[in-house]
Amino acid sequence: SDVLTQPPSVSVAPGKTARITCGGSNLGGKSVHWYQQKPGQAPVLVVYDDSDRPSGIPERISGSNSGNTATLTISRVEAGDEADYYCQVWGSSSDQFAVFGGGTQLTVL
Amino acid sequence: EVQVVESGGGLAQPGRSLRLSCAASGFAFDDYAMHWVRQAPGKGLEWVSGINWKSNNIGYADSVKGRFTISRDNAKNSLYLQMNSLRAEDTAFYYCIKDGNGYFTFLESWGQGALVTVSS
Repeated sequence: SDVLTQPPSVSVAPGKTARITCGGSNLGGKSVHWYQQKPGQAPVLVVYDDSDRPSGIPERISGSNSGNTATLTISRVEAGDEADYYCQVWGSSSDQFAVFGGGTQLTVL
Repeated sequence: EVQVVESGGGLAQPGRSLRLSCAASGFAFDDYAMHWVRQAPGKGLEWVSGINWKSNNIGYADSVKGRFTISRDNAKNSLYLQMNSLRAEDTAFYYCIKDGNGYFTFLESWGQGALVTVSS
């Protein structure tokens, strides 16, 4: 079954660039989606289909996917970006559906 | 504005049942797949179940298969999750989610969640 691996935490100074990775076998052959969850709130879709942004998501947030790794990149990080971030794909076997990574806590120093 | 609002959460004893409902508005409900995702307190996200727009493609996580049943009523713009034989490990916030398409694509719009607590 598909397993997605994320680093538990990433720290970045304000104004710098944060990169959150999501690892999985042949991930580049799948569509990866990313969700942001701020404390006490429901998750929000921030990137879908590897690199597309829903309306209202700033251009500072971008995604890429190649090989075995997908990456969520947040440029010019702000205090308001502090949140948990989850990657997600649909499983490759017929009996496996949505699979989430374990989540990465982004801390803005 | 797209809105999905969960209801029906609460406290249930182990082995008992609970039914979650989700009221949808602001979009053509019968054109979109819908999902339930849960999150135990302090833990990550776990997809529970999904149903496509026609109700002819339904999936469940292994952890709830045979105990939970997802359904939808397109005439009422509503999604449901019937939860039977509840266990302590089912304790979580349950989110109702609109998909980005009629089939399983991405989890586009999330509700605020309903808390289900299973305890004696």
